[in-house]
Amino acid sequence: GESVGLHLPTLSVQEGDNSIINCAYSNSASDYFIWYKQESGKGPQFIIDIRSNMDKRQGQRVTVLLNKTVKHLSLQIAATQPGDSAVYFCAENTGTASKLTFGTGTRLQVTL
Amino acid sequence: KAGVTQTPRYLIKTRGQQVTLSCSPISGHRSVSWYQQTPGQGLQFLFEYFSETQRNKGNFPGRFSGRQFSNSRSEMNVSTLELGDSALYLCASSLQGVGYTFGSGTRLTVV
Repeated sequence: GESVGLHLPTLSVQEGDNSIINCAYSNSASDYFIWYKQESGKGPQFIIDIRSNMDKRQGQRVTVLLNKTVKHLSLQIAATQPGDSAVYFCAENTGTASKLTFGTGTRLQVTL
Repeated sequence: KAGVTQTPRYLIKTRGQQVTLSCSPISGHRSVSWYQQTPGQGLQFLFEYFSETQRNKGNFPGRFSGRQFSNSRSEMNVSTLELGDSALYLCASSLQGVGYTFGSGTRLTVV
């Protein structure tokens, strides 16, 4: 499949462990954040989003934490599975900008 | 419901040629955005269309252009192709600026 990024930071976790993927953003005016998962040969797949008026949001096996003070976003995946292996991107948006600014991405490798 | 559909999936073009890529958004989504993804630069915003009007534009040369039709389908065009234009071109549709959904992309190779 196509290579999303040749020199991405990589996080290796064992199956069943929890994963934490971090992202720093730069625009203090950003008010909407999204985490995407991208598998080889596919487009980014929406995982979870959060608005700046929240600091935590939970989905199925995933939690996003937002710290506006230090402009930091994290994605927590519980009980990581082999199917979670992919590249994960954070994206930020301001309400009127109608465009997403993406982070560089983190490759998650799940070992058995 | 059907997702975002991009055609073609793969394309090989020669330097100097032009190319047109197509994107059909999710039914009811009026916003369509285009992104370029390369290993070196990551995902970069090209432009966004809403109700047939370009609402936002990224920092790409004028060789990159787009349009949107009344049924919200969008096309992007790259003229005078350069080797550096080789990339995965992604289209995303959204409903009122939330929940951007991406297509599988068009892999463009310029030789």
